[in-house]
This record gives sequence, C-alpha cells and structure tokens, in this order.
Amino acid sequence: AQKITQTQPGMFVQEKEAVTLDCTYDTSDPSYGLFWYKQPSSGEMIFLIYQGSYDQQNATEGRYSLNFQKARKSANLVISASQLGDSAMYFCAMREPSNTGKLIFGQGTTLQVKP
Amino acid sequence: DGGITQSPKYLFRKEGQNVTLSCEQNLNHDAMYWYRQDPGQGLRLIYYSQIVNDFQKGDIAEGYSVSREKKESFPLTVTSAQKNPTAFYLCASSIINSHNQPQHFGDGTRLSIL
Repeated sequence: AQKITQTQPGMFVQEKEAVTLDCTYDTSDPSYGLFWYKQPSSGEMIFLIYQGSYDQQNATEGRYSLNFQKARKSANLVISASQLGDSAMYFCAMREPSNTGKLIFGQGTTLQVKP
Repeated sequence: DGGITQSPKYLFRKEGQNVTLSCEQNLNHDAMYWYRQDPGQGLRLIYYSQIVNDFQKGDIAEGYSVSREKKESFPLTVTSAQKNPTAFYLCASSIINSHNQPQHFGDGTRLSIL
C-alpha cells in the first residue's frame, strides 16, 4: 500500500533563512506524482509544487524547490528566504497510480517563521 | 474566475440531525473529493466521484453520504450515524487523466456539534 510519511510535526525557521521539510513515501509503482500543499491557519489548501517520478530534474517554483531523491524515496520541500507569511502547515501528498486522481496525504508539518 | 465554492463556512449540528455541506466547482473537472481534517492532522478521504451519477467510498465513509447529479456539484451529507462529526471538511476537484495536475480545494466548512 502507498504511504506518505512526514516525520517533523513542527519546525521553526528564522526569517530570511532556508528551511527543509521532510517527506518520504512508499510505493511499488514506478509511475507516481508527488505534490506539496500549504495550509495557512485560515484552512484553505494551496498547491505549491509537483514532482513526477520520471522527471529528470528537481522541481522548482519561485522560492520553493524539491530535493527529490528517488532511490531514497524522499521528496523534501525546500523553502528559501523564509517570510513571515510562510508560517503554515505543509502537506506532502502522492497521487495514486489509478486514474481516480486520488491523493494520499502525510500528517503534515507545522512551520513557524520567526521575525 | 474559476474555483471551488464551499458553503457554509461554519455549520452547527444538533443531536440526531442530518446536515448537508455544499461544494460547487466551475473548473469543468470530472473528479470531485471530500476530505475530513481533524485538528493538527492530515486529510482523510470520505468519498470521491469521477463522473456524474457515480461515486466511491473513501477511507472513512461511514456516517456520510454524497450525490453527484451534476458535474459541478458534489454535496456531502453528515448523517446522525456519524457520532463524531466535529471537524474541518474540505472539498476538492481535479482532472483525472493527467498525472501532474493537482487537486484544487475549496476554503472548507467547519462543522461543530451543538
């Protein structure tokens, strides 16, 4: 069965510094997609970045980048130059190989950015 | 402006009462999903639907029901059989035949017991 594990319940980072949020996954399917979402205290889920299993390069999107290590089955999110508005819960998710579009979510990591 | 609209934002349920949460999307997505989120936890799938008039149970379907009479709409009913309904409910939609397309989410409904 597929599984997503986020081992850091909470993280702190100083404003303007970089931070890495960990995500490991388990799947036997060679084709999969990994997503990161941000959930501010208001509750909405904001899509940040996507990494496909066959992508040759690590995904980047502005200040967000993925450290994708396929052999280790990890897809860690790196946020550079942290801002106060980055304080939120972050979820890693994996798309099921079936064509349902279903996502499996990790437990999330709460990030607090200190001024 | 395309998106997903959930209503109401806050909902209170009395003992023995059924309540219905609304979810409407104008993204022309085939698939729609309902998730439950408890405080400090991840999202758990309640139901999902890939096509009109068809839906499947997710991981925690007991005590919930859905319908999909229109492509744009996927209402969730929290029945009296759901003994612990207090949670944050999120609706999402997606394209299903494209692996790199994310799910798009509404702003959620917070349900509490009176």
